[in-house]
Amino acid sequence: AQTVTQSQPEMSVQEAETVTLSCTYDTSESDYYLFWYKQPPSRQMILVIRQEAYKQQNATENRFSVNFQKAAKSFSLKISDSQLGDAAMYFCAYRIPSNAGGTSYGKLTFGQGTILTVHP
Amino acid sequence: DADVTQTPRNRITKTGKRIMLECSQTKGHDRMYWYRQDPGLGLRLIYYSFDVKDINKGEISDGYSVSRQAQAKFSLSLESAIPNQTALYFCATALAGAYNEQFFGPGTRLTVL
Repeated sequence: AQTVTQSQPEMSVQEAETVTLSCTYDTSESDYYLFWYKQPPSRQMILVIRQEAYKQQNATENRFSVNFQKAAKSFSLKISDSQLGDAAMYFCAYRIPSNAGGTSYGKLTFGQGTILTVHP
Repeated sequence: DADVTQTPRNRITKTGKRIMLECSQTKGHDRMYWYRQDPGLGLRLIYYSFDVKDINKGEISDGYSVSRQAQAKFSLSLESAIPNQTALYFCATALAGAYNEQFFGPGTRLTVL
């Protein structure tokens, strides 16, 4: 079974600084997707960034970038120039393509979450 | 704007009561999902539906049932609520396809006393 582990229950960063959130996963699949979701106090789940496993290039979305290490099964999120609005719970998630057969059905497997605090 | 809505947003109920959480979407998506979020556990899949006639159990379906009344509506029921069903519940929708990004509703905070 696929598992996703976020080993940092809480992290903190000073405004304008950089922070990295860690995520590891376990899978025997070769084709899959990885995601980072942000959950602010409003509870809304917001997709921050996604990475296709077949792509070697790390995904980037403005101040958010990932370090995807496929062999090590590691998928960390780097937030540059942190802003107060970045304060939230961050979830790492994994899924295989929903037409891959078996029981994938597009299910997202989530990590436990990391609470990020941004200090002014 | 096309959206995913959930009602109610917050609910407090008592052990043994039947409760229904509703999800509606205007995105025109075929696939709908129900997840629950617990502290330290992330989100886990309860049920999913690929169309009105296709409903399947997820990893933690015991104690829950669902109904897909229409393409746009997917309801989650707790037939006899118990305290360990206290959680944050999310509905999500997605288009069919190999890569189908899931869009989440705003969540329902359920407390069972």
